[in-house]
Amino acid sequence: QKEVEQDPGPLSVPEGAIVSLNCTYSNSAFQYFMWYRQYSRKGPELLMYTYSSGNKEDGRFTAQVDKSSKYISLFIRDSQPSDSATYLCAAPRNTNAGKSTFGDGTTLTVKP
Amino acid sequence: KAGVTQTPRYLIKTRGQQVTLSCSPISGHRSVSWYQQTPGQGLQFLFEYFSETQRNKGNFPGRFSGRQFSNSRSEMNVSTLELGDSALYLCASSLEAMGETQYFGPGTRLLVL
Repeated sequence: QKEVEQDPGPLSVPEGAIVSLNCTYSNSAFQYFMWYRQYSRKGPELLMYTYSSGNKEDGRFTAQVDKSSKYISLFIRDSQPSDSATYLCAAPRNTNAGKSTFGDGTTLTVKP
Repeated sequence: KAGVTQTPRYLIKTRGQQVTLSCSPISGHRSVSWYQQTPGQGLQFLFEYFSETQRNKGNFPGRFSGRQFSNSRSEMNVSTLELGDSALYLCASSLEAMGETQYFGPGTRLLVL
């Protein structure tokens, strides 16, 4: 079982919709989580991170963590075609399995 | 501050050849990690270097190797290329060793024919 599991999608929504992207994690020791956005044929870019204790808002994006259910969410309000990308959730760790553990990504398409 | 840079961006090789990819981390970042990304497998960790030492290694064969220089720049090498090595190879740098957020480069897209 992967430490971070992500809804595979793909997800297609109309412009202006509220988007919810979700992950679950298994390791209670994770202290914070990251969301990366990856456009086609580009490297992932850090979108935002949030500590396991709460929510974080940045413009149209809100990251939420529910520790009791080990659930991570990224909400996008007023989605735009430019939000079309693959979104990866990740948790940091420093073991011989790597610095971070990543979900497999959810591909989002926002249609004009 | 300049981001992580990777060269070359695209590469075509044939089976049996070897390839060297280069990564320059963000200035001041001493940790560099390498990942392989394929549609079927997602992001898979190759190895991490910190202060010129390989600290962690993923579950890849010995054909995959790397090194880090004193200026934190890193290279990875793949010898005896196989068709299955076709992938996007990503380099990520971070500021400190333990659990810091990583910043990715644009990747090198390798196609093995």
